[in-house]
Amino acid sequence: QVQLKESGPGLVQPSQTLSLTCTVSGLSLTSNSVSWIRQPPGKGLEWMGVIWSNGGTDYNSAIKSRLSISRDTSKSQVFLKMNSLQTEDTAMYFCARKRVTTEGILDYFDYWGQGVMVTVSS
Amino acid sequence: DIQMTQSPSLLSASVGDRVTLSCKASQNIYKYLNWYQQKLGEAPKLLIYYTNSLQTGIPSRFSGSGSGTDYTLTISSLQPEDVATYFCQQYNSWPDTFGAGTKLELK
Repeated sequence: QVQLKESGPGLVQPSQTLSLTCTVSGLSLTSNSVSWIRQPPGKGLEWMGVIWSNGGTDYNSAIKSRLSISRDTSKSQVFLKMNSLQTEDTAMYFCARKRVTTEGILDYFDYWGQGVMVTVSS
Repeated sequence: DIQMTQSPSLLSASVGDRVTLSCKASQNIYKYLNWYQQKLGEAPKLLIYYTNSLQTGIPSRFSGSGSGTDYTLTISSLQPEDVATYFCQQYNSWPDTFGAGTKLELK
């Protein structure tokens, strides 16, 4: 069955860089796209970016200058790196499969990891 | 970015009630809207895609409707396991954006 699992440090100091890994099973990254989505405590969801099945990436313009998403298809892993972290980056970080049909009519997140909580604090 | 406004932010209802949650987009999103359910401490779960298509495995008491800027998620008969926060998400315009959520609790 399809599983996604996030991993990474629970605590990051302000101004430092966050590195997270999403390990995927049951899906091939060369035919599936994976997004990162975050949720500050008690708040809503923010789409951060996507790595497409062809390896291309797109980012939310609000954080584009700080964010990088990459992958290792041989290990079925997707990576998130975000620099210059601030306290407002404290959030649960999820990776999710982004299913998009060719014509773009259907586009949704149908498989999610359980999330990893990241706290930005000194 | 398209803003998604959900109402109410908190809804209290009784088991068996018909419940309606609203989601309003800041511009026409042409039915490119999904609904997710998030239970406490869990990841969101896809309920409805493309306004009114039920995701596999989701009970038929959930349904979606709408067009233009106004969309609705309906639970025909509320069950205790439906206690959760519900989010709408548009994908008509880049970037995908979510509403702030409606928290559904039992009365």
